[in-house]
Amino acid sequence: GAGVSQSPSNKVTEKGKDVELRCDPISGHTALYWYRQSLGQGLEFLIYFQGNSAPDKSGLPSDRFSAERTGGSVSTLTIQRTQQEDSAVYLCASSLKSAGGSGAFFGQGTRLTVV
Amino acid sequence: GDSVTQMEGPVTLSEEAFLTINCTYTATGYPSLFWYVQYPGEGLQLLLKATKADDKGSNKGFEATYRKETTSFHLEKGSVQVSDSAVYFCALIQGAGSYQLTFGKGTKLSVIP
Repeated sequence: GAGVSQSPSNKVTEKGKDVELRCDPISGHTALYWYRQSLGQGLEFLIYFQGNSAPDKSGLPSDRFSAERTGGSVSTLTIQRTQQEDSAVYLCASSLKSAGGSGAFFGQGTRLTVV
Repeated sequence: GDSVTQMEGPVTLSEEAFLTINCTYTATGYPSLFWYVQYPGEGLQLLLKATKADDKGSNKGFEATYRKETTSFHLEKGSVQVSDSAVYFCALIQGAGSYQLTFGKGTKLSVIP
């Protein structure tokens, strides 16, 4: 596609429910990232996928968070048993190979509100 | 670990004023440096970048110079417009083969007519 596409753009969920956030990267980009942007905070790295390599999950805040990337393209971030502190904007980004050369291209994000 | 520190906002300027947003970093080696911009209701967009010392990144009238001696990458624009109102993020990455961007907390800029 022309850019990184994320869905839904907004999600309101009840505490304790599971949510799935979807990211469709730019076609041909092998690297995919998830970041979290909380109010008043910077962007927090969550997870990184590169081709068929094992993902770097070092930024996931707890075992309630997981992500997968199917067929090297679309990615889904799943948050189980959501808590109010999970409320944030979840950003997906993609890049050719790694982001070191040209940075990464970001989607518009999914605003998650846990009530 | 690596870190990026930006001046805290919000910053409010009148149209045509000069803009500086300070950014300093802590990193080992020779990182690449970036400025991203987030316009209201939109995702982050890469504004400019510099990959080695003394490089100057520029785009849309914005400039930033990679200063290794002061570990800084300050963003400047000579004459801001209302359309420049956005949140600006400074970021670094450790080298061309690296992938994890480290971001500052962002600086919100509001430009008033």
